[in-house]
Amino acid sequence: DGGITQSPKYLFRKEGQNVTLSCEQNLNHDAMYWYRQDPGQGLRLIYYSQIVNDFQKGDIAEGYSVSREKKESFPLTVTSAQKNPTAFYLCASSILGGNQQPQHFGDGTRLSIL
Amino acid sequence: QKEVEQDPGPLSVPEGAIVSLNCTYSNSAFQYFMWYRQYSRKGPELLMYTYSSGNKEDGRFTAQVDKSSKYISLFIRDSQPSDSATYLCATPAPGAAGNKLTFGGGTRVLVKP
Repeated sequence: DGGITQSPKYLFRKEGQNVTLSCEQNLNHDAMYWYRQDPGQGLRLIYYSQIVNDFQKGDIAEGYSVSREKKESFPLTVTSAQKNPTAFYLCASSILGGNQQPQHFGDGTRLSIL
Repeated sequence: QKEVEQDPGPLSVPEGAIVSLNCTYSNSAFQYFMWYRQYSRKGPELLMYTYSSGNKEDGRFTAQVDKSSKYISLFIRDSQPSDSATYLCATPAPGAAGNKLTFGGGTRVLVKP
């Protein structure tokens, strides 16, 4: 089945630690996205990538980093500079071709502070 | 003012009732609108996708767009307990690179048996 796989489902971070969230898709989509979801605030865009080896900052990129070495993979690193990392992180992908293409989501990673 | 706003709910209805959800938006340049359903601890899944004013029906779901009022609605007929979820409206930012979506905060719906 085609889809987006995020792992792990739950992740805990210690103070001063960087953690990496995995996102893999087999939909052959060019574009991939990372969102952060906090209660009552909807989804906020962290980073997005339209093509391999290229990515752009979203609305809340500070304290995060990404890479796009393969079309299928778009890992997100939450660095120690992100002071409030506790949230639900969602990865999405879409076909490129105008800004009307809907995005398809994985089932998220819940990150908490130890 | 947020670009897309939703009442957070919760909206509680008895099984079989019609669920009525809505979003308001501020930018008249928004053209495409999407409704996502999100179950607890899951990612959002695309329910409906509309363009321009008018109605679009898909089974028990009807999406409505009123561009003159900057108002979009989702109606769920014959609601079931399995419809209990958070419903998010979203729209692509016009002219924005990378297909950026702007989301409302979501409305939580509870359908009671």
